[in-house]
Amino acid sequence: GENVEQHPSTLSVQEGDSAVIKCTYSDSASNYFPWYKQELGKGPQLIIDIRSNVGEKKDQRIAVTLNKTAKHFSLHITETQPEDSAVYFCAASILPEYGNKLVFGAGTILRVKS
Amino acid sequence: DAGITQSPRHKVTETGTPVTLRCHQTENHRYMYWYRQDPGHGLRLIHYSYGVKDTDKGEVSDGYSVSRSKTEDFLLTLESATSSQTSVYFCAISESDPGQYEQYFGPGTRLTVT
Repeated sequence: GENVEQHPSTLSVQEGDSAVIKCTYSDSASNYFPWYKQELGKGPQLIIDIRSNVGEKKDQRIAVTLNKTAKHFSLHITETQPEDSAVYFCAASILPEYGNKLVFGAGTILRVKS
Repeated sequence: DAGITQSPRHKVTETGTPVTLRCHQTENHRYMYWYRQDPGHGLRLIHYSYGVKDTDKGEVSDGYSVSRSKTEDFLLTLESATSSQTSVYFCAISESDPGQYEQYFGPGTRLTVT
């Protein structure tokens, strides 16, 4: 089955700097890659996603890139702010199937120091 | 926020007792999922449902059962709770329309088995 590895496990950056989180996946059939942000005591919140027919997607300060050949994808956050501090999870799945069975990475704790 | 509620939000139970967690949605989404979250593992799929009375296993289904008698409710049952099932449990939902693959999570239930 699919396996998703995520690095780094913790990341500390200064406010205003950029942060990059990387994930690799094992199943070349995976074609949907979402990123979630989880704040303390809350459920994960979808922040951006990308499908395998697209190499890059941006939404304001957040961007995701996908390299299908290397089977890795990355989350880029620019101009980081203290409110970006949270745990970030990448995930992968194969669409379309019955539902969207996500396989998650282990998570990255992002700390933005002001 | 997607209309997803989970109950109870916190529960402490003893080893060997049955436990049922409830997920309720007001979005009329077809697909519903149960995940567990443990440190170092991200989120792992337990069971999912692709319609009323239609369910299937995820990657960590041993010791769990589910039921879905109505579109809006998805129940997760631990028949005989064990300490290894101490975790935070998240319910999620997603649509079935083509292109609408986004998965939205509830607030979670923290379960402690003593």
